[in-house]
Amino acid sequence: DVKVTQSSRYLVKRTGEKVFLECVQDMDHENMFWYRQDPGLGLRLIYFSYDVKMKEKGDIPEGYSVSREKKERFSLILESASTNQTSMYLCASSYDLWGEEGRNQPQHFGDGTRLSIL
Amino acid sequence: DQQVKQNSPSLSVQEGRISILNCDYTNSMFDYFLWYKKYPAEGPTFLISISSIKDKNEDGRFTVFLNKSAKHLSLHIVPSQPGDSAVYFCAASVYGSGNTGKLIFGQGTTLQVKP
Repeated sequence: DVKVTQSSRYLVKRTGEKVFLECVQDMDHENMFWYRQDPGLGLRLIYFSYDVKMKEKGDIPEGYSVSREKKERFSLILESASTNQTSMYLCASSYDLWGEEGRNQPQHFGDGTRLSIL
Repeated sequence: DQQVKQNSPSLSVQEGRISILNCDYTNSMFDYFLWYKKYPAEGPTFLISISSIKDKNEDGRFTVFLNKSAKHLSLHIVPSQPGDSAVYFCAASVYGSGNTGKLIFGQGTTLQVKP
């Protein structure tokens, strides 16, 4: 089974702190994603990466950065945490397969990190 | 601008009956649609998908219907079971990227199946 592991289930930080959220996958997936989930808004994509050292902005990248130094690890960085970044953060990974083959390879999610910024 | 909308935040159904969850989208470039299921304190898990070249896909108790002209899809669960109680997210992807590329998610619908 695919395993996507997020380093913390719950995290409490203060405004202005630099926060690191870590995600590791064990399936040699090329693609990795960071989402945040907020009530009434669903899941919104922050950043994604399709290869080591490659990254692309999602829909809400402001205030965040990412790092992918190794294929299995994708880090989300809150440069200077603010209270509006209090949220559930979800990491996902998938194979980079296009066309019909890609359609049958779902994104696999971790269990999430509930981050509170005080 | 919400490109994928689930207008019903919640749905309550009796065990054994049909659950119908709805999803609307605005972007005609979407060509692949998925449903994910999420239990509390767990990440979403893939449930079922459909390509825009089809209008129906079935997997056991779960069937997804796609109406491209109306830009509408629905998930039918028959019969509903208490273990189906969860949040269901509809998602869509842009042409050519399949399921591995960027997904746009709806707001989610919380389904409660009563015994």
